[in-house]
Amino acid sequence: EDQVTQSPEALRLQEGESSSLNCSYTVSGLRGLFWYRQDPGKGPEFLFTLYSAGEEKEKERLKATLTKKESFLHITAPKPEDSATYLCAVFISNFGNEKLTFGTGTRLTIIP
Amino acid sequence: SQTIHQWPATLVQPVGSPLSLECTVEGTSNPNLYWYRQAAGRGLQLLFYSVGIGQISSEVPQNLSASRPQDRQFILSSKKLLLSDSGFYLCAQGQGGNQPQHFGDGTRLSIL
Repeated sequence: EDQVTQSPEALRLQEGESSSLNCSYTVSGLRGLFWYRQDPGKGPEFLFTLYSAGEEKEKERLKATLTKKESFLHITAPKPEDSATYLCAVFISNFGNEKLTFGTGTRLTIIP
Repeated sequence: SQTIHQWPATLVQPVGSPLSLECTVEGTSNPNLYWYRQAAGRGLQLLFYSVGIGQISSEVPQNLSASRPQDRQFILSSKKLLLSDSGFYLCAQGQGGNQPQHFGDGTRLSIL
């Protein structure tokens, strides 16, 4: 069964304290991995797409990387406004069956 | 850029009452449209998707139905709500395949 697991479930960091969020997956036929940011009471906001192992994407204090088994979202010198839940999702395509599967997210809190 | 409107933002309904949630999309044509439900501590669950007017695919058996009367309009309905229908409902649009989906800000539905 295709699975997407995010860790940790929750993470509290001091402002400026860099860290990484993990998204591991056991799927066959991966065609893309997406990272989203979700603020409380809002819909997910798209951040990055990664398509192949070794690929990296950056946006401000965030950098996403992809291997054959997992993706990391690195956050460098975070600020309080980076507090949110970060979701990853994998898109798979096998024999005409396409599916987007979401993880349960990491709730990130940045303390001033 | 595309914009996704969902309304209402919050809704409180009694058990057994009907439901109609609306989603409209701007800034794109012939999008794929999706309805998701997000429960606390669980990943987004795909309920319905549509690749065109009048074309609806259901992912899970349930008390809900969906319709797409216009290219940029997607409606989620129920004839009789159950307590288990409570949740955060999200509409999304995308171009299909391994392209990212973009979400509206959701409707928080509470069933009493």
